[in-house]
Amino acid sequence: AQSVSQHNHHVILSEAASLELGCNYSYGGTVNLFWYVQYPGQHLQLLLKYFSGDPLVKGIKGFEAEFIKSKFSFNLRKPSVQWSDTAEYFCAVNVGGNQFYFGTGTSLTVIP
Amino acid sequence: EADIYQTPRYLVIGTGKKITLECSQTMGHDKMYWYQQDPGMELHLIHYSYGVNSTEKGDLSSESTVSRIRTEHFPLTLESARPSHTSQYLCASSEGGPTEAFFGQGTRLTVV
Repeated sequence: AQSVSQHNHHVILSEAASLELGCNYSYGGTVNLFWYVQYPGQHLQLLLKYFSGDPLVKGIKGFEAEFIKSKFSFNLRKPSVQWSDTAEYFCAVNVGGNQFYFGTGTSLTVIP
Repeated sequence: EADIYQTPRYLVIGTGKKITLECSQTMGHDKMYWYQQDPGMELHLIHYSYGVNSTEKGDLSSESTVSRIRTEHFPLTLESARPSHTSQYLCASSEGGPTEAFFGQGTRLTVV
């Protein structure tokens, strides 16, 4: 079975700090990669996705992620976080257009 | 904005009761999924469907059952609820091929 590892479980940052959340997956074939965000009390929403092409993908709200195939990684970054970025972030992998496998999530708290 | 709806949002029910969690989507997606989400844990796939009359169990063993009689509707049923079923249940859907999943708001179930 596939596995998705998110190494940071809880992250606390001050506003304007830079963010990088790690994500590694175990599948060696062709994968589709996603980052989802879940704001308090809301449903999971797509932040960004990678299917093919440029390994640096840009998403909503200033987030970006870099796919590094050799490292099986898809780390999420944002140069300057805001208080409104406080949320739970999930990395996900989709293999063959079928099932989605999710990491355990990273809880981000941004202090004003 | 994704059009996938789950009802109820919150449910507190006694042990031994039969319950059905509703999930509907208006996007015409063939693929639908049920995930179980507990705090600090990854989303666990418990059921999925690739179309009408197609249902499969996911990686996480579950005592629940699902049906897919109509494309837009994917209800999950627990014949006899137990406290161990207390969790948040998320429904999602996606188109065929490499594409993202869209999530509902979730149902938070508490079995007392």
